[in-house]
Amino acid sequence: DAKTTQPPSMDCAEGRAANLPCNHSTISGNEYVYWYRQIHSQGPQYIIHGLKNNETNEMASLIITEDRKSSTLILPHATLRDTAVYYCIVRPNLSNFNKFYFGSGTKLNVKP
Amino acid sequence: DTAVSQTPKYLVTQMGNDKSIKCEQNLGHDTMYWYKQDSKKFLKIMFSYNNKELIINETVPNRFSPKSPDKAHLNLHINSLELGDSAVYFCASSLNLDSGNTIYFGEGSWLTVV
Repeated sequence: DAKTTQPPSMDCAEGRAANLPCNHSTISGNEYVYWYRQIHSQGPQYIIHGLKNNETNEMASLIITEDRKSSTLILPHATLRDTAVYYCIVRPNLSNFNKFYFGSGTKLNVKP
Repeated sequence: DTAVSQTPKYLVTQMGNDKSIKCEQNLGHDTMYWYKQDSKKFLKIMFSYNNKELIINETVPNRFSPKSPDKAHLNLHINSLELGDSAVYFCASSLNLDSGNTIYFGEGSWLTVV
């Protein structure tokens, strides 16, 4: 009963932009979209989050559609170290907190 | 400085034993969590404490007992370990329970029950 849908895997050439899509068609108005990544044998690493507006930080950009039913994480210049599983998560408010979990994510393979 | 640290990183133990995993955060956060990552890599919440008070207690066997001596610590004690408890356990923290606050994770504790 995941609230998000992501492709299982994607490839990207080193130095190119990686665009990772996520569908969250049942998102509620007060729920944030979060992106994390997990590199093998490490803990999930926070990347970025947003509510309605597009966001950018030193790691990535987050583009959220106007209807908020989907979003795209953009890594502008992917490096080999960006190879990881990327998780798109809709973070519920406290009353639905038991539904906050990481699904299967997208395995991003950055190739030389 | 590690923001969320948990020990041990690796733990191999026999069925029936009792073990603990410790977690500490130095971020000054009010809220701490325990998550379990299963063999399919799904990460699911187990417990959440806010200011030392249990807020979330998912459908977890009562062999699992969290303890929060203060806001900066949330330890996980597991009694009578079973084979199915083998997993990676992640501790995490956030400023508070507001959904706009980022959750920061530790590096994980790999538990193997033999």
